[in-house]
Amino acid sequence: EADIYQTPRYLVIGTGKKITLECSQTMGHDKMYWYQQDPGMELHLIHYSYGVNSTEKGDLSSESTVSRIRTEHFPLTLESARPSHTSQYLCASSRGTGNTIYFGEGSWLTVV
Amino acid sequence: QQQVKQSPQSLIVQKGGISIINCAYENTAFDYFPWYQQFPGKGPALLIAIRPDVSEKKEGRFTISFNKSAKQFSLHIMDSQPGDSATYFCAAARQGSGYALNFGKGTSLLVTP
Repeated sequence: EADIYQTPRYLVIGTGKKITLECSQTMGHDKMYWYQQDPGMELHLIHYSYGVNSTEKGDLSSESTVSRIRTEHFPLTLESARPSHTSQYLCASSRGTGNTIYFGEGSWLTVV
Repeated sequence: QQQVKQSPQSLIVQKGGISIINCAYENTAFDYFPWYQQFPGKGPALLIAIRPDVSEKKEGRFTISFNKSAKQFSLHIMDSQPGDSATYFCAAARQGSGYALNFGKGTSLLVTP
């Protein structure tokens, strides 16, 4: 079972608000990822990190930003939320190369 | 651009039957092909994975068949059970990307009693 935690699980906020989705893993994984998934759709990679102070943008353009100051922590921030940001955000992590990517349970964001 | 194409979009199978989901990819640099299972309200969980140096991998009732020349791979669920009802995603990745996964669009499987 994966030890990767996301908070909040569910969030409803107003347009223009700043939000941070938290992700923590206790497995000591060096690589961490954020995927975005709309209901019933595929997952799109929006950010990833190879280690502390390393962040890269994924295939899907996103207005969110991420930081990796500690190995175990990879928060995602939206400075000004919009209804188009309504989606599920999944955090994941893996160790080294060629190893399993473990997912958290997701954060459901609704912007009204 | 969809890097991994998955079909069918949805599948209904009777209990005890065989569920088959297919995926195709274009990028020959991909060298890791996992299948993930996702239940409603949960994150995806790794089900089984294969690398291109083998043509088949079996774990219990789940089998991946891999055809490198055709750039296709498929998931077979033998003796399908109602508890297998979930969304299944195939994915592909290459080592140089840190194994960041490129997902198919998913297949919603319903196994009827």
